[in-house]
Amino acid sequence: DVKVTQSSRYLVKRTGEKVFLECVQDMDHENMFWYRQDPGLGLRLIYFSYDVKMKEKGDIPEGYSVSREKKERFSLILESASTNQTSMYLCASSTTGPVQETQYFGPGTRLLVL
Amino acid sequence: EDKVVQSPLSLVVHEGDTVTLNCSYEVTNFRSLLWYKQEKKAPTFLFMLTSSGIEKKSGRLSSILDKKELFSILNITATQTGDSAIYLCAGHNYNQGGKLIFGQGTELSVKP
Repeated sequence: DVKVTQSSRYLVKRTGEKVFLECVQDMDHENMFWYRQDPGLGLRLIYFSYDVKMKEKGDIPEGYSVSREKKERFSLILESASTNQTSMYLCASSTTGPVQETQYFGPGTRLLVL
Repeated sequence: EDKVVQSPLSLVVHEGDTVTLNCSYEVTNFRSLLWYKQEKKAPTFLFMLTSSGIEKKSGRLSSILDKKELFSILNITATQTGDSAIYLCAGHNYNQGGKLIFGQGTELSVKP
């Protein structure tokens, strides 16, 4: 079974803090994704990566950066957290090839920025 | 711009009811449509649909795709309280690698 884990289920931070969200997958997947999920807006793509050290902006990259130093690990960084970044953050991974669109998700990190 | 729209956004039914969730899409270079179920944790994969008119079925859940009218439906028969979840629909643009375009989700609540 594919397993995607995220470093924290719940996180509370103060405005202006630097926040690291970590995601690890154990299936040797090439593709990894970070989304945020807000009520009524669905999942919105923040950043994604198709390979180590590669990153591409998604639909809402402002205020975020990412790091992928190892294939299995994809980190999301909030350089200076703001209250409008309070959200549920979901990480996902997928393989390349014929079923590359089937993404497997982690349990999510619910971030509250005060 | 690629877009996926789900309806309704929320739904409350009673156990035993049958529900139909809708998903319409406008996705260039469309390849497939996916359904996920999200309880209070990670979204889990339900179905991937690539061909029109072919029903995919898993227990009480079934789904079908209409590539002419650009929509898909997810049916749940004889609903149970364990079906309460957010159901997510996503479209895949073949020219965008593994990226998915998600709808807003439908929040289904099944009352005993």
